Amino acid sequence: DAGVIQSPRHEVTEMGQEVTLRCKPISGHNSLFWYRQTMMRGLELLIYFNNNVPIDDSGMPEDRFSAKMPNASFSTLKIQPSEPRDSAVYFCASRRQGEGYTFGSGTRLTVV
Amino acid sequence: GIQVEQSPPDLILQEGANSTLRCNFSDSVNNLQWFHQNPWGQLINLFYIPSGTKQNGRLSATTVATERYSLLYISSSQTTDSGVYFCAVEYGKLTFGQGTILTVHP
Repeated sequence: DAGVIQSPRHEVTEMGQEVTLRCKPISGHNSLFWYRQTMMRGLELLIYFNNNVPIDDSGMPEDRFSAKMPNASFSTLKIQPSEPRDSAVYFCASRRQGEGYTFGSGTRLTVV
Repeated sequence: GIQVEQSPPDLILQEGANSTLRCNFSDSVNNLQWFHQNPWGQLINLFYIPSGTKQNGRLSATTVATERYSLLYISSSQTTDSGVYFCAVEYGKLTFGQGTILTVHP
């Protein structure tokens, strides 16, 4: 089991550019979560999917953020256009119903 | 939403010491997990413990759901235990506390 796989590990981009973060959940896990971690706000849930369907996106900061899960083994989080205040570590997590969450290693995003 | 409070916010130990971290939450929950975020930023799942007691090596955890708290015990601490320990509770979604920063000196 390779765990939850995120890419890239680090991303540096200029303000205004589009950023796409990727996540491969653990096989057999039916829920997927995107979290953001900052010093000021800690770990915040952005959006989560059950069986590839978005269930709660109330944590998505604004329309510049979008997430998709086209199949059970892949999800993307897109920011367009990016802004410096989006700089953070973005984590993806997955779980099987009734079990604990497993987090990926995160993507450290820096928008300059 | 549900509130999660962790204490203490910071803890400094000498190697070999024992410690207890506490997590209080404001409402009934379906799930509680303890995580360790190591100095490289990885979030490692320590315990999935909605109730009862579990042990894994030098670490153990107890959740008393009726009284809305959980405790994480670290015995014979090692420098590799340093990092941030998060409690997270689930009621619809997983909500994290602000964490306890643990530093273990050799």
